[in-house]
Amino acid sequence: NAGVMQNPRHLVRRRGQEARLRCSPMKGHSHVYWYRQLPEEGLKFMVYLQKENIIDESGMPKERFSAEFPKEGPSILRIQQVVRGDSAAYFCASSHLDGPNTEAFFGQGTRLTVV
Amino acid sequence: AQSVAQPEDQVNVAEGNPLTVKCTYSVSGNPYLFWYVQYPNRGLQFLLKYITGDNLVKGSYGFEAEFNKSQTSFHLKKPSALVSDSALYFCAVRDGAAGNKLTFGGGTRVLVKP
Repeated sequence: NAGVMQNPRHLVRRRGQEARLRCSPMKGHSHVYWYRQLPEEGLKFMVYLQKENIIDESGMPKERFSAEFPKEGPSILRIQQVVRGDSAAYFCASSHLDGPNTEAFFGQGTRLTVV
Repeated sequence: AQSVAQPEDQVNVAEGNPLTVKCTYSVSGNPYLFWYVQYPNRGLQFLLKYITGDNLVKGSYGFEAEFNKSQTSFHLKKPSALVSDSALYFCAVRDGAAGNKLTFGGGTRVLVKP
C-alpha cells in the first residue's frame, strides 16, 4: 500500500509564474490536508478537502492560492504569480476517516523555491 | 482556538540516557494529541496518539507519551535514546469541538550524541 505521494519533490519557479503541487492520498483515503512549513518552523494548516469539496480553508491566503480534490485524480494546490515568500515545503496528508481521533499520514513534501 | 507549545527549540542528550520532549496544548473541547517525527528532507512520520483512556500511550520505536490533563501537557519520552533518534519532533492537537484541523507546535530538534 503506497503512502501519500507528492510530486514534484522539488519545484523551482521564477517570480510571477504558477506553481502546481500534486498529492495522491493513500489508497482508500478520501480526506486530504495541505500544510506549509517554512524553514526551521512548524507546519501551518492551509486547507482540508474531501472529494470535490473544500471543508476548511481557514489557513489559505486570500489571494493567489487555491486547492482542489476532484472526483478522479490527485489533489492540487495551485499558487498563482508566486513570490519569494512562497518558498517553503508544502506537505500533504491524508486520512480515511474524518473523526478527530484519526491520525493523518504525510507525504514527503514538495519543496518550492521561488527565484 | 487550539494551540500547541513546544518550549524547547532543541534537546541534547547522550546516547543511552532518557529523552523527554515537552509539549503543552490549549483547546476548548476534548484534546486529541499526536506526536510526529521528521527526518531531514522527509515528511512527517506518525509516532503515537492520545484519544482517551490510559494517560500513558505507547508508540513506535520505543517512544511513549504521558497525557496530563491538569497540566495540559503531553510530553514525549523514551527511556534510552539512540543516535538514530536525532530528528525534529512535532506535537500536534485536534480540538474535538473544532473539526479535523491538526495544529502543530513549532517543533523540537533532538540531538543524541554518541
